[in-house]
Amino acid sequence: KNQVEQSPQSLIILEGKNCTLQCNYTVSPFSNLRWYKQDTGRGPVSLTIMTFSENTKSNGRYTATLDADTKQSSLHITASQLSDSASYICVVSGGDTNAGKSTFGDGTTLTVKP
Amino acid sequence: NAGVTQTPKFQVLKTGQSMTLQCAQDMNHEYMSWYRQDPGMGLRLIHYSVGAGITDQGEVPNGYNVSRSTTEDFPLRLLSAAPSQTSVYFCASSYGQALLGTEAFFGQGTRLTVV
Repeated sequence: KNQVEQSPQSLIILEGKNCTLQCNYTVSPFSNLRWYKQDTGRGPVSLTIMTFSENTKSNGRYTATLDADTKQSSLHITASQLSDSASYICVVSGGDTNAGKSTFGDGTTLTVKP
Repeated sequence: NAGVTQTPKFQVLKTGQSMTLQCAQDMNHEYMSWYRQDPGMGLRLIHYSVGAGITDQGEVPNGYNVSRSTTEDFPLRLLSAAPSQTSVYFCASSYGQALLGTEAFFGQGTRLTVV
């Protein structure tokens, strides 16, 4: 069964600090991995999309890494701001027999405190 | 360009009532989908559509119907509401299927409570 596991489940950091969120998956064959940010009471918003051949992709203070061999991804947030408080969701999409199917992680809830 | 618009934002239903959650997008996206999000769980796919006139079931389709008569609209119908359908519902659209790695745009969500 395709699975996406995110860790930690929740995280509290002080404003200005860095943090790293983890995503491990078993989806195979693999097509792409996406990170979304979901503010409380809002729909998810895409941060990055990474395909098999991409190891790192940045979007401002957000940097995603992908190791397709170990089936692991991380999302690194630099110099955190209060507005980074949200749930971060990892979504993995499959290829071939799993084409078009996406598996969502349960998300990591990040709280940034002043 | 409004993106993906869902209505209503909040709804309370009595058990057994029926209703339709509306979803519209103005980006000419072919692919649209409905998800439900429950506390502590990831988004789960209810139904999806790869184009007008074509729909298919997702992971948790029971109790829900969909239709896609136009590219823009993808309504979700609850036939006979049950307390287990209390959830937050999200509609999403994208230019292509996830296989293509295209970005999905989500609506603001509909918070549904069934009493």
